Amino acid sequence: GESVGLHLPTLSVQEGDNSIINCAYSNSASDYFIWYKQESGKGPQFIIDIRSNMDKRQGQRVTVLLNKTVKHLSLQIAATQPGDSAVYFCAERDSGGSNYKLTFGKGTLLTVNP
Amino acid sequence: ETGVTQSPTHLIKTRGQQVTLRCSSQSGHNTVSWYQQALGQGPQFIFQYYREEENGRGNFPPRFSGLQFPNYSSELNVNALELDDSALYLCASNAGSNEAFFGQGTRLTVV
Repeated sequence: GESVGLHLPTLSVQEGDNSIINCAYSNSASDYFIWYKQESGKGPQFIIDIRSNMDKRQGQRVTVLLNKTVKHLSLQIAATQPGDSAVYFCAERDSGGSNYKLTFGKGTLLTVNP
Repeated sequence: ETGVTQSPTHLIKTRGQQVTLRCSSQSGHNTVSWYQQALGQGPQFIFQYYREEENGRGNFPPRFSGLQFPNYSSELNVNALELDDSALYLCASNAGSNEAFFGQGTRLTVV
């Protein structure tokens, strides 16, 4: 859902469950997408990326799915751990431009309960 | 650790003052970008530098300016500070089209 002001979308899961975080992007010309994890007081940390010529990419415990038809991106985290608790941002980039500007979504707060 | 370091980590300034924030890029990265992150929001693109030249700018007024040095370190300068400039300022470096690595940010508070 949309966030207003300080109210981030939130997801609360039990340790060991799988988590799915969703993101809608806006620019149909974007050809590169990244998921970042941001812990309190820290900068965003790269998790996984995907280019627009792919619809799925897997990493260690994470999978990103891209649906260009509906401009939707998702991050799946397997066997979620307490250390996964953070704010997760999707970011898009239009590489047709002259720079590598990233446009970020508003973020989703993931809370993992032990 | 991303290899991108920012200084200072925290800063308090008075409205109307000027501030300079610094960023040391990851080795070999010739592109640096600056972002502003307000509380509860995603980072917003301020501008980017490539080989010491500004290479794109977001929707920020001219009182936000920057520099990139030959060693690819960078500065963000903000003049005539306003209360709404209070935010986390993030620096990110990348090499070409590869992923951007972020520093830990500078928390600026304007009072």
